[in-house]
Amino acid sequence: DAGVTQSPTHLIKTRGQHVTLRCSPISGHKSVSWYQQVLGQGPQFIFQYYEKEERGRGNFPDRFSARQFPNYSSELNVNALLLGDSALYLCASSLVLAGAREQYFGPGTRLTVT
Amino acid sequence: AQSVTQPDIHITVSEGASLELRCNYSYGATPYLFWYVQSPGQGLQLLLKYFSGDTLVQGIKGFEAEFKRSQSSFNLRKPSVHWSDAAEYFCAVALNFGNEKLTFGTGTRLTIIP
Repeated sequence: DAGVTQSPTHLIKTRGQHVTLRCSPISGHKSVSWYQQVLGQGPQFIFQYYEKEERGRGNFPDRFSARQFPNYSSELNVNALLLGDSALYLCASSLVLAGAREQYFGPGTRLTVT
Repeated sequence: AQSVTQPDIHITVSEGASLELRCNYSYGATPYLFWYVQSPGQGLQLLLKYFSGDTLVQGIKGFEAEFKRSQSSFNLRKPSVHWSDAAEYFCAVALNFGNEKLTFGTGTRLTIIP
């Protein structure tokens, strides 16, 4: 079975631009979470979606938004990019809402903002 | 404040030697506890987890961890490391209520020398 997939693998954007990152969960998983991992740090929680509804939000500005589609895939959108948004963005999926016990991570999308 | 601390930023161990990576948490209640490993350019792989019960938990790749409530610690151990164990290791916690987002430590980079 395919694991969590994310696209694109890498991308480079300019300050002020907008970016959309995509995530496809493991088949049958209904919960998707997004994390930001800045170089040299641990991942930080951004959002959790379950059954297409936002169920958790981390301490990130409103420039960050996300949504989940009927097929449980998800998009993370970041507007007005700043240099500090450069990071590895990780998506994790789990079967149920209280899924921290069985979260599976994708390989991530490396975003570079210049 | 609630936090996860990994006091060792970088550890170097000889191949075949034993390993212990430290993790301390600061929460009002005992959270769910996890260890993840991240190879360069890769996502996160779950090594092991603790929810309740036996305080010594076994994971994949020969790793084990011991939960010590009195010390608020969850240290990761391996009796004999292999060169392939070189990676970044993250301790993470999830509160056992709410949306159970993962909160990560800053990581410990493990280098293996021949």
